[in-house]
Formats: sequence, C-alpha cells, structure tokens
Amino acid sequence: DAGVTQSPTHLIKTRGQHVTLRCSPISGHKSVSWYQQVLGQGPQFIFQYYEKEERGRGNFPDRFSARQFPNYSSELNVNALLLGDSALYLCASGREGQETQYFGPGTRLLVL
Amino acid sequence: GESVGLHLPTLSVQEGDNSIINCAYSNSASDYFIWYKQESGKGPQFIIDIRSNMDKRQGQRVTVLLNKTVKHLSLQIAATQPGDSAVYFCAENIGSSNTGKLIFGQGTTLQVKP
Repeated sequence: DAGVTQSPTHLIKTRGQHVTLRCSPISGHKSVSWYQQVLGQGPQFIFQYYEKEERGRGNFPDRFSARQFPNYSSELNVNALLLGDSALYLCASGREGQETQYFGPGTRLLVL
Repeated sequence: GESVGLHLPTLSVQEGDNSIINCAYSNSASDYFIWYKQESGKGPQFIIDIRSNMDKRQGQRVTVLLNKTVKHLSLQIAATQPGDSAVYFCAENIGSSNTGKLIFGQGTTLQVKP
C-alpha cells in the first residue's frame, strides 16, 4: 500500500508570496494533520482535519489555512510568507477512531 | 503546560549494544504515546506506541516503557544496528483520535558506531 504522499518535495519562495502544499493520505484514512518542523526541532502541530472539517488548530497565525477534500486529500495554504516560515511541512494521516498518525516525506519550503 | 521533552540530545552507542532513549512528558491527562524515528531528509516513521493503561509494550527489537508516576517514557532498542542511526522523537497525543494533536519533544540523535 502507498504511504502518505506530499507534493511538491521542495519549494523556494520569496517573502510576501503565498504557497499551497498538497497531501494525499493513506487509502482508507479519513484524518489528515499538518505539522511544521523547523530544522533541529520536533514537528509542531498546525491543523487536523477529519471528514472535511477542521478538528484542531495549533498556535499558528491566520496566514495559515487548510482544507480537506471529499477524497480526503488536503491542502495547506500559507499567505504573506515570512523568512521564518522556512521549514519542513509534514502531513500525517490516520484511521477513524485511532490516534496513530503516519507521516509523509514532507515538503521542504525555503523562503528567501 | 503542553510539553514533551527528551533528556539527552545525542546518544552514541556501539553496534550490537542496547540503546535507551528517554522522554519526559508534562500532561498527566495524556493517554497515548508514540515513538517515531526520523532519518535525514525523511518524514517521521512510526516505531511503537503505548497507552497509559500499559507499563510496557514490545515490538521487534524495540520496547517502550511508561512510568506514569514520574511521567517518563523510554524506548529501548536491542542489538543496535547502523540502520538505527536517526533522530528519535517521542510524541504525546492531546485529545481524542479525531480531534487530537501530537506534541513532540526536541528529539534525540542516535549515533551507532561500527
């Protein structure tokens, strides 16, 4: 079975631009979560979506938004990019009723 | 507060020895914990999990121990191999499975010497 997939793998943007990151969960998984991982630190929770509804939000500004589609794939949008948004953005999916989350390879975003 | 921390940033072991990676958590209400392995350039890989109603759980070459009294979690890797070299994170689940979020620690780098 395919794992969580994310696109693109790498991205370079300049300050002020916006970015859209995409995630496809493991087949059968209805929950998708997004995390930001700054170099040298553990992942930080941004959002969780379940059945197309936002079920959790971390301590991130409103520049960050996300949505989940009927096929359970998800997009993370970041507007007005700042240098500090440079990080590895991870997507994780999980089965209904289970806390275990399985991560994708991430999208590495560099903001110049 | 919400925090999960690891005691040591780097652990260096000899190939074939056992490794023990420690983790302290602060949320006494958390009831589910996960260990992840993250290799360079990759996403975190699930290793093993444990619920708060258990003290110990074993997998293939790995064992997780949970001490709820002192809010301490450890990951034991038997017969450590070069392929075990990676950063290891413990994570704590906040909330239910459909509304929860994982709180990660800073990570411990495991270096395996041949």
